[in-house]
Formats: sequence, C-alpha cells, structure tokens
Amino acid sequence: SQTIHQWPATLVQPVGSPLSLECTVEGTSNPNLYWYRQAAGRGLQLLFYSVGIGQISSEVPQNLSASRPQDRQFILSSKKLLLSDSGFYLCAWEEGTGVTDTQYFGPGTRLTVL
Amino acid sequence: AQSVTQPDIHITVSEGASLELRCNYSYGATPYLFWYVQSPGQGLQLLLKYFSGDTLVQGIKGFEAEFKRSQSSFNLRKPSVHWSDAAEYFCAVGAGGNAGKSTFGDGTTLTVKP
Repeated sequence: SQTIHQWPATLVQPVGSPLSLECTVEGTSNPNLYWYRQAAGRGLQLLFYSVGIGQISSEVPQNLSASRPQDRQFILSSKKLLLSDSGFYLCAWEEGTGVTDTQYFGPGTRLTVL
Repeated sequence: AQSVTQPDIHITVSEGASLELRCNYSYGATPYLFWYVQSPGQGLQLLLKYFSGDTLVQGIKGFEAEFKRSQSSFNLRKPSVHWSDAAEYFCAVGAGGNAGKSTFGDGTTLTVKP
C-alpha cells in the first residue's frame, strides 16, 4: 500500500533562516506531488505541484521554492524565512495518470517563524 | 474556472444528532467530487469520492454524500454524529485529470456538543 511521509513534524525557525521540508512517498511510481499551506483557520493554498522529476509548477509567487530530485521525493525550501511563512504545510500525492484526481495527504509540518 | 463553496464556516451539532455539511461547486463538465476530513494538527483524510454512477456515495466512518447535478451540490451527511467526528471538513472538485487544477473549499469546522 502507499504511504506518504513528511518531516519534520514541527519546526520553529527564526526570521531570515533557511528552510527545508521533505516529503517522500512509498508504494507508487511517477506520482503527481503537491505542496499546500494552511494558515491558521484558513483553507488550503496550493503552493507547488510536480508531475515528474525536475518538473515544478508554482501556483503562488512567494518566498518559497520546491524541487523534486527523485521520483518520490518532494522538497520545499526557502533561503530566508519570513514571519508570513508560518503555517501548516501539507504534502500530497496523486496517481500520475491523474485520472482520478484523488489526492492523499501526509501528516503535515507545523512551521513557526519567530 | 471551477470553484467550490462551503457556505458554513462553522457548524455545531449535539452528539447523536444528524449532520449535513453543504458543498456547492461550479464546473463545466461532470465533476469528480471529494470530501476530506482533517483532525486538528493532522493531514487530510479522504472520506469519500464521486466519479460517476450512483449519486449517493458511501464513505468511511459512516458518512455519505449525494451528488445533485441540478443543484450543483455534493452535501455530506451522517445520521448520528459522534464526538470523534469533530474536525474540519473540506469539499473538493477534481479537474478531470489535469494536475494541479483541483479546487478545495475553505472548509467547515464541525463542533460536537456532548
């Protein structure tokens, strides 16, 4: 069966520091991968998605970037964090064919920027 | 462009009472529709999905949803709510296999009174 992992689970970082969040998927090949952010009490904001290695689409221009160095690995990064980067970050995968549009979510990373 | 509206930001029901969460969508073709649940501090879990066929869809945890094309709705129901159902619920519409184009509603927070 497929599983999705995210780490770290919780992170507290100072303003201006770098960021690296990692997401890995097991049990599937060539998935579509997604990064979302939830601000407190808000819905899901799609940040990036990827349909293959090295292929990244950005939905919202901002202080973040994403990379997909391997088929089942998706990384969210920042060179210098802002206070507004605080939030709950969710990774999700979807079958690469995209036929079902069904997304499966990881447990999330709670990021607090101080 | 497709859209999803969840009219109720917050709903409170008593334990044992019935529940209906509303979802309205806008989509040009037959939609793929989803309901997800998110417990505090966790990722989203798929409750149920509609692709085609029977318009009444059964999901996990005793939930069901009914697709009504004439009303552009996909409301989630449960006959008897348990305290453990307290969570945030998201409705989503798929994009017919186009990666990155699924749309999520802003969510409805469910509180269950003892």
